[in-house]
Amino acid sequence: NAGVTQTPKFRVLKTGQSMTLLCAQDMNHEYMYWYRQDPGMGLRLIHYSVGEGTTAKGEVPDGYNVSRLKKQNFLLGLESAAPSQTSVYFCASSYTKRRYNEQFFGPGTRLTVL
Amino acid sequence: KQEVTQIPAALSVPEGENLVLNCSFTDSAIYNLQWFRQDPGKGLTSLLLIQSSQREQTSGRLNASLDKSSGRSTLYIAASQPGDSATYLCAVEAAGNKLTFGGGTRVLVKP
Repeated sequence: NAGVTQTPKFRVLKTGQSMTLLCAQDMNHEYMYWYRQDPGMGLRLIHYSVGEGTTAKGEVPDGYNVSRLKKQNFLLGLESAAPSQTSVYFCASSYTKRRYNEQFFGPGTRLTVL
Repeated sequence: KQEVTQIPAALSVPEGENLVLNCSFTDSAIYNLQWFRQDPGKGLTSLLLIQSSQREQTSGRLNASLDKSSGRSTLYIAASQPGDSATYLCAVEAAGNKLTFGGGTRVLVKP
C-alpha cells in the first residue's frame, strides 16, 4: 500500500514551458487535492476533485489546469510556466465520508521556474 | 473567508520541556481541525484530527484541544525530544471538504 505518490520529485522549467505533475493514490479515495506551499504561507488549495471526472477550483487556481480521468490519478498541468509558480506542490486524498475526512499527503514536488 | 494563524512562527526549547503550539481561526463554522507534522523536504504527516463536536484528542505524548467558540486549538507535546524537531501545521476543514492551513510553527528541540 503505497498511499499517495507524486512524480516527479524535482523539476526545473524555463518560463513559458509546460509540464504535468502526476498524483496517484491506492486507497480508493474519492477526494483528491492539489496544494502549493510557499515559505511562511502554509499550504494553499489550487484545485480539487470530489470524484472521477470532476474537478473544481480552489483558492489559487489561475495558471493551472487539472484532470481526473481515473479515480486513482489526479493530474496538475502548467500550460505556460511563470517564475511565480516556483513552489513545492503537494497532492492529497481523503475518504468520502465527512466524519473521517482525514487527508493523506504525498511527498511533494519541488518546482523551480527560471 | 477563513483565516488560520499560528503563533509563534518558530520556537526553540531544551529537551524534556513541554511544547505548546497555538492555532487560531476566524470562522467557527468548521467540521474538524487537523494537526500535521512536516519534516524538512518531506510531505505532511497527520498527527491528530479533532471533530467539531470534540474538545480534545490524545495520541501518546500529543494532546490537542479545540475551543470552537473562541476559534482556538492548542497542541501539547509532553517531554519534548530532539526527534520532535519539525514544522507543525494546523488546518481547519469547513464546507466543501477543503482545508485552510496556518503558516506553521517551526520547532527546534535542543539536546
